[in-house]
Amino acid sequence: DQQVKQNSPSLSVQEGRISILNCDYTNSMFDYFLWYKKYPAEGPTFLISISSIKDKNEDGRFTVFLNKSAKHLSLHIVPSQPGDSAVYFCAARPNSGGSNYKLTFGKGTLLTVNP
Amino acid sequence: EPEVTQTPSHQVTQMGQEVILRCVPISNHLYFYWYRQILGQKVEFLVSFYNNEISEKSEIFDDQFSVERPDGSNFTLKIRSTKLEDSAMYFCASNPDRPSTDTQYFGPGTRLTVL
Repeated sequence: DQQVKQNSPSLSVQEGRISILNCDYTNSMFDYFLWYKKYPAEGPTFLISISSIKDKNEDGRFTVFLNKSAKHLSLHIVPSQPGDSAVYFCAARPNSGGSNYKLTFGKGTLLTVNP
Repeated sequence: EPEVTQTPSHQVTQMGQEVILRCVPISNHLYFYWYRQILGQKVEFLVSFYNNEISEKSEIFDDQFSVERPDGSNFTLKIRSTKLEDSAMYFCASNPDRPSTDTQYFGPGTRLTVL
């Protein structure tokens, strides 16, 4: 049951160009979305997030776009740098209002930025 | 910057043995989680913990698993009788006291190898 889907297992871009990573979700209860970056043998590192009340959030080179009607979000990295090469995970959680805010992750997209 | 720490970084054990994975969440955080990632698969939620009790657990978190916060700083995951399929990276994560608007911060992980 893939509630969060990242359909592209890998993406390769040239340094300086835009990287666009996509994520789709099926659970309409999700209302907070996060992107994590992960290097091998390390834990996921938080990158950027967006609440369902917004459609865009920007932080430096990173912008996340949310299309609630399509249940789709994307992460844009501009300009891409070789150090951005990592696995990027999309994650989502409901605003349960209780004491659990577990994250549901996608399978990840391996981004390779070529010099 | 405060961070989640985990020990050991790598644990090798024989099938049927008990293991305890340790985590020190960020000091002012109140919500704690364990996730795992089997090689090549996505990060999966195991259990969440708040106010000294489990708030939710996944199907993976069966009777062989338990969690404990024995003191004010440590958060442990115990697997009573390890199986080969328990081999994975185990990540601890924590949330501050406003998890509806704050992200989860992950530790670097413990690689568990069951032989």
